[in-house]
Amino acid sequence: GDSVTQMEGPVTLSEEAFLTINCTYTATGYPSLFWYVQYPGEGLQLLLKATKADDKGSNKGFEATYRKETTSFHLEKGSVQVSDSAVYFCALSPISSGSARQLTFGSGTQLTVLP
Amino acid sequence: DTAVSQTPKYLVTQMGNDKSIKCEQNLGHDTMYWYKQDSKKFLKIMFSYNNKELIINETVPNRFSPKSPDKAHLNLHINSLELGDSAVYFCASSDIEVPYNEQFFGPGTRLTVL
Repeated sequence: GDSVTQMEGPVTLSEEAFLTINCTYTATGYPSLFWYVQYPGEGLQLLLKATKADDKGSNKGFEATYRKETTSFHLEKGSVQVSDSAVYFCALSPISSGSARQLTFGSGTQLTVLP
Repeated sequence: DTAVSQTPKYLVTQMGNDKSIKCEQNLGHDTMYWYKQDSKKFLKIMFSYNNKELIINETVPNRFSPKSPDKAHLNLHINSLELGDSAVYFCASSDIEVPYNEQFFGPGTRLTVL
């Protein structure tokens, strides 16, 4: 079945540091790939997505590129802020329409950014 | 404007009780989901409904029974609560016709079974 392997946390960085959170996946075909973020005490919010190979998703300074050859979707940000402290989830879903498809999530990576 | 809402936000109850969690979405989506997040933050699908019809039913104890009165609502009823049911439960919704399946999540319901 489909699976997502995500970098173990927690990750602690100083403000303005560079962030990478690794994510690799196993799936049949070419799934859609997502990064969701969960701020303390809140639900999940979509951070960015990519729907085909070589697509780059970006939002709020975060980026991730869909790499089919390495089955990866690593999350990066050039300069993190304290407000980026949250749990980040990598997820995938099969691409199709007309049928319900679940999201398969990675285990989540807790990021703490110190001032 | 709340897109996906859940009630209650917190639920504390005794073992053996029966409880319900309600979910509503105003996005016009036709598909809704329930996910369980355990204490280690791991998220796993429980159920999915499309237009009031059960589509995804993962291996979940039959003490859990979803009910969808209409396509904007998906409720979760849990009978005979056990300690292991303590978790955060998230409702989500999506448009089944959108190929890439972007799902919108509610704020979660934190269930604590004592």
